[in-house]
Amino acid sequence: LAKTTQPISMDSYEGQEVNITCSHNNIATNDYITWYQQFPSQGPRFIIQGYKTKVTNEVASLFIPADRKSSTLSLPRVSLSDTAVYYCLVPTYSGAGSYQLTFGKGTKLSVIP
Amino acid sequence: NAGVTQTPKFQVLKTGQSMTLQCAQDMNHNSMYWYRQDPGMGLRLIYYSASEGTTDKGEVPNGYNVSRLNKREFSLRLESAAPSQTSVYFCASSDQTGGRFFFGQGTRLTVV
Repeated sequence: LAKTTQPISMDSYEGQEVNITCSHNNIATNDYITWYQQFPSQGPRFIIQGYKTKVTNEVASLFIPADRKSSTLSLPRVSLSDTAVYYCLVPTYSGAGSYQLTFGKGTKLSVIP
Repeated sequence: NAGVTQTPKFQVLKTGQSMTLQCAQDMNHNSMYWYRQDPGMGLRLIYYSASEGTTDKGEVPNGYNVSRLNKREFSLRLESAAPSQTSVYFCASSDQTGGRFFFGQGTRLTVV
């Protein structure tokens, strides 16, 4: 089970790029890295997933170095609506085609006007 | 496109009462999950179901039972509610690739 470590909180001004780094030192060869976003009173929402190098979608970019022991979620030009908790998660195969997500406290991002 | 739907959204129970939380997904996913989230904490896995007809315990199963009624529906039952079960409950489903989980909007349960 890959344990992840990420900062408890971050503050950023509107319009800035935000980078949240997560460490996962014991990630297994076949594991992917995923990031989720959670707003208050809502369920987590999938943002992005990657295995190595760089992945980009309409919401964020994910940078993964060659050793895969860490990853960085990059949010370009954040707005107030990006204020949320961000979770770095490594899905673990639990058999029969099923995976498990083990949540920590995530990173609480506060965007300041 | 509903995704994962949970009912009810809010519930207040008295200690000792029972209730069932309902969850349904329309994405044809095999795997479904029940999590609870306490204030300021991450989600913790209660039970999961890898496929129709199978269920397994997660991290915090005590005080709960589940039923995978069919591929679409996965219910969570509290037989005798306790104040320690006051929490927000999330249902989720995932596809075979495992990378992407879809969560419902949650059920906020208060036990008094």
